[in-house]
Amino acid sequence: DQQVKQNSPSLSVQEGRISILNCDYTNSMFDYFLWYKKYPAEGPTFLISISSIKDKNEDGRFTVFLNKSAKHLSLHIVPSQPGDSAVYFCAASEGGGSQGNLIFGKGTKLSVKP
Amino acid sequence: EAGVAQSPRYKIIEKRQSVAFWCNPISGHATLYWYQQILGQGPKLLIQFQNNGVVDDSQLPKDRFSAERLKGVDSTLKIQPAKLEDSAVYLCASSSPGILGYTFGSGTRLTVV
Repeated sequence: DQQVKQNSPSLSVQEGRISILNCDYTNSMFDYFLWYKKYPAEGPTFLISISSIKDKNEDGRFTVFLNKSAKHLSLHIVPSQPGDSAVYFCAASEGGGSQGNLIFGKGTKLSVKP
Repeated sequence: EAGVAQSPRYKIIEKRQSVAFWCNPISGHATLYWYQQILGQGPKLLIQFQNNGVVDDSQLPKDRFSAERLKGVDSTLKIQPAKLEDSAVYLCASSSPGILGYTFGSGTRLTVV
């Protein structure tokens, strides 16, 4: 049974607009969440993270929102750029912060059109 | 700093053959991970090392998979004998306390025919 779910396999957005990628989880013991970005033929690259004690974390164009009651998090990219086109993975950990066993979703492929 | 190095990049073998993958983590990173990513899925942890000790290998199919990290630096992951369902990308990653997230290597794409 999937503990981390990314229900949208793909998302297409116009350059300059906002991209919103969603992630749901089922394990209430998860206390740290991360987003990774992956280009073809490369390994995933860490993008941004959030602890369960927060509901928002911002880093430049990237903002992650966490709604613990709904077991839902989202990644907002504003403004979206063509270079943001990649597969985005949501990941969660239980007790290990960003160092422990990460449970990954299946990913969402983002396409940003010029 | 140099990234996580993995080799080979690609490997094609027949079922029941054996294969080995190599990983060199970022210098000074004590924690090393091997993940398996099957096409269309997210990465799944196979084994986690802290220096040369195993922290978590609960999802490693130990009847056919083995891994070692001698001297707490390089690591090898071996599959013997391989099955068709082992076709995947094998990702190595390393991490260090105080640094957010792992650093992944580019992976080894294994095809078992």
